[in-house]
Amino acid sequence: GNSVTQMEGPVTLSEEAFLTINCTYTATGYPSLFWYVQYPGEGLQLLLKATKADDKGSNKGFEATYRKETTSFHLEKGSVQVSDSAVYFCAPLAVGRRALTFGSGTRLQVQP
Amino acid sequence: EAEVAQSPRYKITEKSQAVAFWCDPISGHATLYWYRQILGQGPELLVQFQDESVVDDSQLPKDRFSAERLKGVDSTLKIQPAELGDSAMYLCASSLAGSTGELFFGEGSRLTVL
Repeated sequence: GNSVTQMEGPVTLSEEAFLTINCTYTATGYPSLFWYVQYPGEGLQLLLKATKADDKGSNKGFEATYRKETTSFHLEKGSVQVSDSAVYFCAPLAVGRRALTFGSGTRLQVQP
Repeated sequence: EAEVAQSPRYKITEKSQAVAFWCDPISGHATLYWYRQILGQGPELLVQFQDESVVDDSQLPKDRFSAERLKGVDSTLKIQPAELGDSAMYLCASSLAGSTGELFFGEGSRLTVL
């Protein structure tokens, strides 16, 4: 079946540190891949996406590359800010599926 | 900026009572989703509408949950009777027609069942 595994949080970093949040998935075929972010007190919002192998999605300094060989879509940012503190969700949209499957989420806490 | 509206933001009820949540999607969005998010977990799809038609309700506990989108615009999710395990955040999202994965979420309705 389709599933997604994210690294457990919380991830606690100091401002300007490098961030990696791991995400791997299992799915039939080649899904489209998404990262959503949930800031405190707000609804989920799309952060970035990639729709085919080797695509790189990017937004707000975050990047993720669609790696079909390792079925991964790790989220990275070179220098995190306090304002990046949020919960991040990896979500594949499998071929033939109508809706996203969300990972369990990874909480990021950035300290000044 | 257009937003998905949900109400109520918070609901506290006793088990065996009925509860209802309302969602108004972004204008023009044909697809509407209800997700349930248990604390510390990712959202799980309950039901998906395309206009007024249900396209996926395979994970909706139909013995107690119901959802409708009568005119293909706003939607109501009902639970009757509520159980302790229903305590969660109920999220509504909408998207343009088609399964693109680009969803716009409301702020959610937090349900506590006592």
